[in-house]
Amino acid sequence: EPEVTQTPSHQVTQMGQEVILRCVPISNHLYFYWYRQILGQKVEFLVSFYNNEISEKSEIFDDQFSVERPDGSNFTLKIRSTKLEDSAMYFCATTLRNTEAFFGQGTRLTVV
Amino acid sequence: AQSVTQLGSHVSVSEGALVLLRCNYSSSVPPYLFWYVQYPNQGLQLLLKYTTGATLVKGINGFEAEFKKSETSFHLTKPSAHMSDAAEYFCAVSENNAGKSTFGDGTTLTVKP
Repeated sequence: EPEVTQTPSHQVTQMGQEVILRCVPISNHLYFYWYRQILGQKVEFLVSFYNNEISEKSEIFDDQFSVERPDGSNFTLKIRSTKLEDSAMYFCATTLRNTEAFFGQGTRLTVV
Repeated sequence: AQSVTQLGSHVSVSEGALVLLRCNYSSSVPPYLFWYVQYPNQGLQLLLKYTTGATLVKGINGFEAEFKKSETSFHLTKPSAHMSDAAEYFCAVSENNAGKSTFGDGTTLTVKP
């Protein structure tokens, strides 16, 4: 069964550092998403990406965040100057088009 | 704007008993509705989805849900709970794109032996 792969599974970083979270989508999928889940809270939409540009973003997705698909395969989420409150599980999801979203296993980010 | 309300943050049932997890939604257009399950320290797994057509949808692991437009509900049920069903369950709604969804707060299901 095809799957979305996220790396790393767990990242610990110091406050103020930059992190890059990586996602390998299912090969023929066209739409890519990042979600965030703070511990014990619900899953929140961050951003959607299609045709090499952001199609929609939430209020959470401020200038601290950026996404790109630099090599046509990996889909990355960059967080500049991390803050303690950025600690969360980050999920990548991909879809073909108006079909179910396939979620990766997530990256647990811990900012210390 | 769309929203999801999951009634009951914690539900506890005995093994073999009926599981009922409640979800109500609001959406300005016909919704796509989803139930996901999350086991500890794992990702989100799709249980079932409603897009169009038959309002009673069957999913994996014996779960099913019924879309009731008049009640704006999409409750998840399973006739007989199994210990392995213990997990966090999320209801989600999408208006026109299955990838961009709004999630409920989640319901933790506990199954007692």
